[in-house]
Amino acid sequence: QSALTQPASVSGSPGQSITISCTGTSSDVGSYNLVSWYQQHPGKAPKLMIYEVSKRPSGVSNRFSGSKSGNTASLTISGLQAEDEADYYCCSYAGPYVFGTGTKVTVL
Amino acid sequence: QITLKESGPTLVKPTQTLTLTCTFSGFSLSTSGVGVGWIRQPPGKALEWLALIYWNDDKRYSPSLKSRLTITKDTSKNQVVLTMTNMDPVDTATYYCAHSWVQGGTGFDPWGQGTLVTVSS
Repeated sequence: QSALTQPASVSGSPGQSITISCTGTSSDVGSYNLVSWYQQHPGKAPKLMIYEVSKRPSGVSNRFSGSKSGNTASLTISGLQAEDEADYYCCSYAGPYVFGTGTKVTVL
Repeated sequence: QITLKESGPTLVKPTQTLTLTCTFSGFSLSTSGVGVGWIRQPPGKALEWLALIYWNDDKRYSPSLKSRLTITKDTSKNQVVLTMTNMDPVDTATYYCAHSWVQGGTGFDPWGQGTLVTVSS
């Protein structure tokens, strides 16, 4: 089972919106509405930001939103802030689970 | 409040078996739907899902590592144990355990702080 494909890096200026893509296959992302997204700051454990494609856990800013079309899921961060600079990983259920390759978000 | 903490050796030799323990609080592994998963991250690299065990002893493994992994639970001790056989330097990574609240794929929240395991002779 191959890792989901994410862009290596995405950048934006404060206040802008950015979107991170997560491309899988019809066996994972395309088959289940069970994509989750995680934020990871350097040296820290990952934090759940989105689950079941577009749901936000309690306490997560509404600047984070998720969507899916076909075999590709997306995470959008609106109103980009300095604290959003981190690595982001998608994850899809596929019987087992599969994570994405990770995206480094830089706030310019 | 749910918390999880990983424990185990920081250094193992090649070919040895790694045993990691996840000790948790704030939930019970006898509650319907609940699970605990293991995920690892080599230094500077991406996350990799390893295994997950649910409240009803349903176990799932990474297909690529299935032959080397065993996951078990001790509900009375609030612990989940992961063993990985035949360790290799490429298995050097930070190993995390994480809580899953719905059986069948919804996600992992929260995560433990992680424990770095180095494989070296």
